[in-house]
Amino acid sequence: DGGITQSPKYLFRKEGQNVTLSCEQNLNHDAMYWYRQDPGQGLRLIYYSQIVNDFQKGDIAEGYSVSREKKESFPLTVTSAQKNPTAFYLCASRMGQGGTYGYTFGSGTRLTVV
Amino acid sequence: AQSVTQLGSHVSVSEGALVLLRCNYSSSVPPYLFWYVQYPNQGLQLLLKYTTGATLVKGINGFEAEFKKSETSFHLTKPSAHMSDAAEYFCAVTTNSGGYQKVTFGTGTKLQVIP
Repeated sequence: DGGITQSPKYLFRKEGQNVTLSCEQNLNHDAMYWYRQDPGQGLRLIYYSQIVNDFQKGDIAEGYSVSREKKESFPLTVTSAQKNPTAFYLCASRMGQGGTYGYTFGSGTRLTVV
Repeated sequence: AQSVTQLGSHVSVSEGALVLLRCNYSSSVPPYLFWYVQYPNQGLQLLLKYTTGATLVKGINGFEAEFKKSETSFHLTKPSAHMSDAAEYFCAVTTNSGGYQKVTFGTGTKLQVIP
């Protein structure tokens, strides 16, 4: 079955460390997204990519970086510049950019600073 | 700018009772509207969506929602709650923002089902 795979499910980061969250999809979707979820705040967009080798900042991109070298993959790096990285991170994809398409989400990565 | 308001961060219903989760939006242009469900430590799953046409839309697991333009609402309902419906529900709005389809999520409503 097609879907989105996020790994790892749980990740612990030390102060000053960069960590990379993996997101892979086999849905043949063009558009991919990274969201951050904090309790009571809903989902906030970090980065999105509509096509390979292109990506755009979302609402809270500071302290994060991404790449889109393959259609299937959209990894997110949480850098040491992100001062409050503890959160639940969700990767999503859409078939296209049309507003009628809903998202398919991965199962998330919970990042904790130790 | 668009926004989504979900009234009530926590809602409790008895098993077998009506479920009503409220969503109101503000948008200067006609929106596309979505409801998603999230179980603990999992991603979100699409329940249903309104794009055009019939304003009453049916989704998975017996849920439905009605788009009411005059009230700028898209409330989610289910006639009879089941224990397995306990989860967090998110309303989302998509509108065209400078050629990009911007999605705005509400802050979520946690549904508790009491046996």
